[in-house]
Amino acid sequence: DGGITQSPKYLFRKEGQNVTLSCEQNLNHDAMYWYRQDPGQGLRLIYYSQIVNDFQKGDIAEGYSVSREKKESFPLTVTSAQKNPTAFYLCASSAWARYNQPQHFGDGTRLSIL
Amino acid sequence: SQELEQSPQSLIVQEGKNLTINCTSSKTLYGLYWYKQKYGEGLIFLMMLQKGGEEKSHEKITAKLDEKKQQSSLHITASQPSHAGIYLCGATQTGANNLFFGTGTRLTVIP
Repeated sequence: DGGITQSPKYLFRKEGQNVTLSCEQNLNHDAMYWYRQDPGQGLRLIYYSQIVNDFQKGDIAEGYSVSREKKESFPLTVTSAQKNPTAFYLCASSAWARYNQPQHFGDGTRLSIL
Repeated sequence: SQELEQSPQSLIVQEGKNLTINCTSSKTLYGLYWYKQKYGEGLIFLMMLQKGGEEKSHEKITAKLDEKKQQSSLHITASQPSHAGIYLCGATQTGANNLFFGTGTRLTVIP
């Protein structure tokens, strides 16, 4: 079945450590997105990519990095510069067209600090 | 800044009752999306509205976008425990697909 796979489901980070969250899609979507969700808040956009080898910062990109080497994959690295990384991270993808296309989401990765 | 206000923040209803969730923007929206989220899981796409006055239904859920394209409502008829979760509205202000989201409405349905 087509869909978006995020891994791992739970992740723990030590102080000063970088961690990478995986996001893979087999929907043949051009665009991919990373969001952060904190309790009581909506989703906030971290990074997005419209095509391979290209990506743009979202509203809260500081302390994060991404790559888009393949259409299917859009990994997110939470660097040690991100001082408050504890959150629920959601990856999404959509077809990239002139008009609105709905985003489809993975099941998320919950990141916690040890 | 781009903001979506959702109301109410939480809602507890008896099974079988109808309910409405609202999503309001101070600016005209290009597209309005409704998603449902169960705790600790991803978002499930429900419906997308683009035209002023548009209304869409799926099973017992109906979403509407007002003529000015600044307010949307999500109405659930004869609620069931399976409707419980967090409902989020998301919107775009241009033709781009970047969404900004409301803070969500937590729905509890009591059997």
